[in-house]
Amino acid sequence: GAGVSQTPSNKVTEKGKYVELRCDPISGHTALYWYRQSLGQGPEFLIYFQGTGAADDSGLPNDRFFAVRPEGSVSTLKIQRTERGDSAVYLCASSSGTGAHEQYFGPGTRLTVT
Amino acid sequence: QQQVKQSPQSLIVQKGGISIINCAYENTAFDYFPWYQQFPGKGPALLIAIRPDVSEKKEGRFTISFNKSAKQFSLHIMDSQPGDSATYFCAAQRSGSARQLTFGSGTQLTVLP
Repeated sequence: GAGVSQTPSNKVTEKGKYVELRCDPISGHTALYWYRQSLGQGPEFLIYFQGTGAADDSGLPNDRFFAVRPEGSVSTLKIQRTERGDSAVYLCASSSGTGAHEQYFGPGTRLTVT
Repeated sequence: QQQVKQSPQSLIVQKGGISIINCAYENTAFDYFPWYQQFPGKGPALLIAIRPDVSEKKEGRFTISFNKSAKQFSLHIMDSQPGDSATYFCAAQRSGSARQLTFGSGTQLTVLP
């Protein structure tokens, strides 16, 4: 079946602009995660959704970052007033449900803030 | 605070050799330890994983060894192939409902033909 998909694959924006990154999880997966991966580093956790609600947003770096998952499937990560330090690959992963172990990652969105 | 420490940062192995990557963790709340393989421009792909109630798990050429008392685990790639050249990340998953992953810093493996 289809894996996790993310759009766009690349996004270049100017400092101060607003961006939206989209994640489409594996069909039927109720758990969805966002991670951020800086160059040469491992992914870092941002936020976790179980169904429609953000069950854990402790990894969001500040209030410029926000994510939604209104129908419990597709999720959008929103970044306001982008800064050059936000440049990274944003990864989405999904899992089959509460307490499930395996997380499957999408290809990521490479965000570049100029 | 880096909760999962990974070494080495880079590794070069001859084709047919054994690649060994090591990780150490601090938080005893971790209860699941996956390894991910990542190729340039791709997302991490789940390779193999272990729970702390076993000391070793083998899948094909890939083996995880786990030492609970030392809070260390390692990935062994037997008969390494050029196609194994990638970045490998260990990770640890916290018990509970959220289960977010904490990753190591990665090991760039190069297998020479």
